[in-house]
Amino acid sequence: GAVVSQHPSRVICKSGTSVKIECRSLDFQATTMFWYRQFPKKSLMLMATSNEGSKATYEQGVEKDKFLINHASLTLSTLTVTSAHPEDSSFYICSARGGSGSSYEQYFGPGTRLTVT
Amino acid sequence: GDSVTQMEGPVTLSEEAFLTINCTYTATGYPSLFWYVQYPGEGLQLLLKATKADDKGSNKGFEATYRKETTSFHLEKGSVQVSDSAVYFCALSDGGSQGNLIFGKGTKLSVKP
Repeated sequence: GAVVSQHPSRVICKSGTSVKIECRSLDFQATTMFWYRQFPKKSLMLMATSNEGSKATYEQGVEKDKFLINHASLTLSTLTVTSAHPEDSSFYICSARGGSGSSYEQYFGPGTRLTVT
Repeated sequence: GDSVTQMEGPVTLSEEAFLTINCTYTATGYPSLFWYVQYPGEGLQLLLKATKADDKGSNKGFEATYRKETTSFHLEKGSVQVSDSAVYFCALSDGGSQGNLIFGKGTKLSVKP
């Protein structure tokens, strides 16, 4: 199947700093990428959906100025957590899809563990 | 809104035991249903799916049947292996143009030799 990578796999940062997480589709062009947040013993929560070349669509309750998403190419999307705080500590997962609509499978990255101290 | 409820874990079984992980859903339309598996240290992988009522998805010995009358999509396997140890997520697609996925909380399965 298709491969999606995330970098870094783990990151520790100090409160108030910004952190960028990359999501890459390695062997296909991803017209749509998704960013999820996973809390311990909780489900994956969709944060935002981004289509290449256009602004991301954020889910209700997700601060777009805090979680900046860029999908500048068909193989790369980035999530930047700005002015991070300890409550932003979480597991962030991206997924990528090669076409629009539910008939296309989403391929998931391995996730990034963010710890804000 | 649409939602997915799956049984809480962890579930611990001996090798060759029968596995059932319950999943029920709430949806206004006719969603597609999925089971994803997350092995330790890896991303989620699609295990199986069903797109309409009475469809049965199957893969690697796992099966799940789309039951509209009970709004369920229970995952079953007749004989689990140690290598099946993972976290299993039930999900539905809201069917919109984005095809967004809505996940259950996940069920951790541990299979002992």
